[in-house]
Amino acid sequence: RKEVEQDPGPFNVPEGATVAFNCTYSNSASQSFFWYRQDCRKEPKLLMSVYSSGNEDGRFTAQLNRASQYISLLIRDSKLSDSATYLCVVKKQGTGRRALTFGSGTRLQVQP
Amino acid sequence: DGGITQSPKYLFRKEGQNVTLSCEQNLNHDAMYWYRQDPGQGLRLIYYSQIVNDFQKGDIAEGYSVSREKKESFPLTVTSAQKNPTAFYLCASSIQGRDTGELFFGEGSRLTVL
Repeated sequence: RKEVEQDPGPFNVPEGATVAFNCTYSNSASQSFFWYRQDCRKEPKLLMSVYSSGNEDGRFTAQLNRASQYISLLIRDSKLSDSATYLCVVKKQGTGRRALTFGSGTRLQVQP
Repeated sequence: DGGITQSPKYLFRKEGQNVTLSCEQNLNHDAMYWYRQDPGQGLRLIYYSQIVNDFQKGDIAEGYSVSREKKESFPLTVTSAQKNPTAFYLCASSIQGRDTGELFFGEGSRLTVL
């Protein structure tokens, strides 16, 4: 079983729609969680951290469920510019080797 | 402007040749990383360095080598021993000691072996 699993998609949604992605992780020792965004053939960039109580950043809401070991990303009022691959990233305690594990990403395509 | 610069962006290599990918950062970050990304897969860690003159193998180090002679530079050599080197290579850096998941990535180098 992969340490971090994501539905690869693609998720095809119309502009203005609300879309949600889930990501499950297998290591219960995981401590920190993040969503990165990666545009086609570009480098990943940090979108937002995921806090235990859930957090919002504009149209984006991230939530964590430690009991079920999953995190989610909700995007409201989708824009064409939201089209990208969203990577779930899980961090274990410490830094360096294997501290960060990347999921393979969920592709979102927002259509006009 | 601070950032990470990778070069070349595109590289073609014949089988049996070594190739070196450059990574330079002016963010004053201590830690630097090399990842490989293949279609449909997550980023996989090749090597990382937390301080000058020190580096550690990641999950897929076989067929690769690195050096860290300067804080700003972390070049990656893809050797002929790497059996499937065609991939997108990403260099990243982070602030050492900070408990954050934020990595700053370069724009990547796309290597194709002919």
